[in-house]
Amino acid sequence: GQQVMQIPQYQHVQEGEDFTTYCNSSTTLSNIQWYKQRPGGHPVFLIQLVKSGEVKKQKRLTFQFGEAKKNSSLHITATQTTDVGTYFCARPYRGTASKLTFGTGTRLQVTL
Amino acid sequence: NAGVTQTPKFRILKIGQSMTLQCTQDMNHNYMYWYRQDPGMGLKLIYYSVGAGITDKGEVPNGYNVSRSTTEDFPLRLELAAPSQTSVYFCASSYSTQNYGYTFGSGTRLTVV
Repeated sequence: GQQVMQIPQYQHVQEGEDFTTYCNSSTTLSNIQWYKQRPGGHPVFLIQLVKSGEVKKQKRLTFQFGEAKKNSSLHITATQTTDVGTYFCARPYRGTASKLTFGTGTRLQVTL
Repeated sequence: NAGVTQTPKFRILKIGQSMTLQCTQDMNHNYMYWYRQDPGMGLKLIYYSVGAGITDKGEVPNGYNVSRSTTEDFPLRLELAAPSQTSVYFCASSYSTQNYGYTFGSGTRLTVV
């Protein structure tokens, strides 16, 4: 169905450690998007992945789309306190790319 | 560009009251959306619009209504507010069916007591 599971729900890391969140779907996805929401803020679009096996990088962030297009991951190298927030993946709602269903999110806490 | 503007930022309603959450965007986006986010949870789609005069229900439309008379504005109406509608409401817009990513407003924090 429309469920998008994200794991873990929460992760606490020391600054400088790496972090990965995973997004899993039971069905094949036409695309997947990632958003970041700072505490008390609104979601901000990070990236969209479309192709099977696609890998995109944004500075310390690496986004991957699985070969089967059923899962995706976001990896942050050497976390900083500015990375604190909740990371959401989002998939098309009922197969329509213009509407999104959001995952449950992974909350990242980074301490010095 | 202001992007997506939501008003008010905060509101407390009594059970049974009504209110309209305002949302306006100045990016000439055809697609607009309303989501609600309960504490510690993801976002649930309430209603969406693909253009002026066209609206449709999302995942959780009960207790809400919308209208889209112009490209810029997409107000969300709550009739007979209930405690279950306590949430943060986000309006968003996007450019096209290719969905280059949503632009979100800063949200309205609503408490129903």
